[in-house]
Amino acid sequence: KAGVTQTPRYLIKTRGQQVTLSCSPISGHRSVSWYQQTPGQGLQFLFEYFSETQRNKGNFPGRFSGRQFSNSRSEMNVSTLELGDSALYLCASSTTGDGYTFGSGTRLTVV
Amino acid sequence: GENVGLHLPTLSVQEGDNSIINCAYSNSASDYFIWYKQESGKGPQFIIDIRSNMDKRQGQRVTVLLNKTVKHLSLQIAATQPGDSAVYFCAERFGGAQKLVFGQGTRLTINP
Repeated sequence: KAGVTQTPRYLIKTRGQQVTLSCSPISGHRSVSWYQQTPGQGLQFLFEYFSETQRNKGNFPGRFSGRQFSNSRSEMNVSTLELGDSALYLCASSTTGDGYTFGSGTRLTVV
Repeated sequence: GENVGLHLPTLSVQEGDNSIINCAYSNSASDYFIWYKQESGKGPQFIIDIRSNMDKRQGQRVTVLLNKTVKHLSLQIAATQPGDSAVYFCAERFGGAQKLVFGQGTRLTINP
C-alpha cells in the first residue's frame, strides 16, 4: 500500500514568487491536512480538507491556500513568498480522522 | 534538519534501557492523542495512538499512558535500540476539530 506522496521534495524560490505543493494521500483516505514545520515554531496546522471542502484552517495569512480534488489529491499554494515561509511542509492523510499518516514533506527555501 | 536550532528537551539513555518520554497537553477537551517519531530529513512516523476514554495502550515495544486529570501523556519504549534515536512528538486533537496540535518534541539519543 503506497504511503502519502508529496512533490516536489525540494524547492527553491525567490521572495515574491508563488509556489504550489502537491500531496497524494493513501488510497481511500479522504481527509488531507497540511502542516508547516520550522525550527522556531515547530509543527503548525495550516488547513484540512475532506471531500473537496476545507473543514478547518489554522492561523496563517491568506497567502496560504489550498484545495482538494475529487480523487482526494490536494495542493497548497503560497503566494508572494517571504523569507519566513522557508519550512518543511508536511501533508497527512487519514480515513476517519484517526491515525494520521504523514508524507516525507516538501522542503521550501525562499531566497 | 527541521529540528536543528530548536532547543528541544533531550533524553539520553543507554542502549537496552527503557525510555520514558513525557508530554503535557493543553486542552481538556482533546479526545485523541498520537505519538510520532521523526528522523532527520523525514516526515513524522506514526508510533501509537490513544483515545481519551482509555488510560493505557500497548504496541510493539511501546506503551502510551494517558492521565487526563493532569493532562499528561507519556511514551514508554522498552529495550531502547540505536534505531530509536529521533525526535518524538506528542499530538492532541481537539474534539471534532480535525486538526492536530503538536508538542515541541523531545530528542532521544541512545548511548552505546
